Amino acid sequence: ETGVTQTPRHLVMGMTNKKSLKCEQHLGHNAMYWYKQSAKKPLELMFVYNFKEQTENNSVPSRFSPECPNSSHLFLHLHTLQPEDSALYLCASSQDALVGTSGTETQYFGPGTRLLVL
Amino acid sequence: AQKVTQAQTEISVVEKEDVTLDCVYETRDTTYYLFWYKQPPSGELVFLIRRNSFDEQNEISGRYSWNFQKSTSSFNFTITASQVVDSAVYFCALSEVTGNTPLVFGKGTRLSVIA
Repeated sequence: ETGVTQTPRHLVMGMTNKKSLKCEQHLGHNAMYWYKQSAKKPLELMFVYNFKEQTENNSVPSRFSPECPNSSHLFLHLHTLQPEDSALYLCASSQDALVGTSGTETQYFGPGTRLLVL
Repeated sequence: AQKVTQAQTEISVVEKEDVTLDCVYETRDTTYYLFWYKQPPSGELVFLIRRNSFDEQNEISGRYSWNFQKSTSSFNFTITASQVVDSAVYFCALSEVTGNTPLVFGKGTRLSVIA
């Protein structure tokens, strides 16, 4: 099943670099999500987009900047990251994500980008 | 606030044994959804099941079965006759319908099935 793809799969960057993570879904869904998974911590929701509009920003630092040009593509632009930002970044999609009920639809996840910030 | 507790951090079993992964949740909402996901070493979370709070029937899908008990706020997952390919981290998650909150995951249970 390659419904949700993410590139790159692995990324190493310095604290002064700028990079972007890409996610693409082939499921015809209208909602897309970014999650962060750190070691020994629960998955943390970062952003939610529904029909290209951001519906949730879970108090994420501004060094993470999402972009959703259409319902099939989602980017996460990274700049001046810190070592504690090293984690697995997972993208997901669902049929919809109505405001206030974004978690009730089944979300389908990509394989993630494993990020290491040096 | 909603919360999901997976008390078992790691479990090891020998192949062909049955294993149950526990999930206890907290919510003030009367309408909610519960999920289980599997995360193999490749990293991708694989959807296993979605259950709404009004459906307390237990579900079986092949070697997988789920026991939903509202009285104890639990949604446990059993793998029968475990196989090495079942080795993964399993996450339970909860979403409230009227609570205006996103999906909340437990910390996961790492299952190792030894041949």
